[in-house]
Amino acid sequence: GESVGLHLPTLSVQEGDNSIINCAYSNSASDYFIWYKQESGKGPQFIIDIRSNMDKRQGQRVTVLLNKTVKHLSLQIAATQPGDSAVYFCATSNNAGNMLTFGGGTRLMVKP
Amino acid sequence: NAGVMQNPRHLVRRRGQEARLRCSPMKGHSHVYWYRQLPEEGLKFMVYLQKENIIDESGMPKERFSAEFPKEGPSILRIQQVVRGDSAAYFCASSPAGTGELFFGEGSRLTVL
Repeated sequence: GESVGLHLPTLSVQEGDNSIINCAYSNSASDYFIWYKQESGKGPQFIIDIRSNMDKRQGQRVTVLLNKTVKHLSLQIAATQPGDSAVYFCATSNNAGNMLTFGGGTRLMVKP
Repeated sequence: NAGVMQNPRHLVRRRGQEARLRCSPMKGHSHVYWYRQLPEEGLKFMVYLQKENIIDESGMPKERFSAEFPKEGPSILRIQQVVRGDSAAYFCASSPAGTGELFFGEGSRLTVL
């Protein structure tokens, strides 16, 4: 069955450094990819998305990279801030529907 | 424009009781999704509904769980005869169409004693 997994369960970075969170997916039919941020006690919050016809997309301080060859997705956060501390999930879907499959999450801890 | 509204935010039930979780999607959204999250884990898809229709319930347990999204009113996730293993956060999400970004609510946290 389809699975989405993450390489690092916890990532600790110094404030001001760049963060990279990785995600592997298994379904070759996945064509839409999203990164969500979830703070403690809250619902997932959209960060950035990318479709399979792109390999890179940039937002404000965040960049998502997609490597379809090895089925790998990454989220880069520039100049990480204390407010970035949260759990980050990648999620995928395909044209068969809008159902998102979530990875297990990476906890990002930002040290002041 | 209010976001996805879920209630109750916290619900405590004893084993064998029923739990009803409600979700009002964002204005203009006709697609609703329910996800379940155990502590320190990712979100697991349960069911996808449109008004008066269940589109995909492949993630729903076969027994005790049901969901509906009536023509009028919120979507309801119903868990009958709850057991301790049902304790989790249940998140609802909505979208305006069949593909794209999902907007999540703040979740309903069910505790079964």
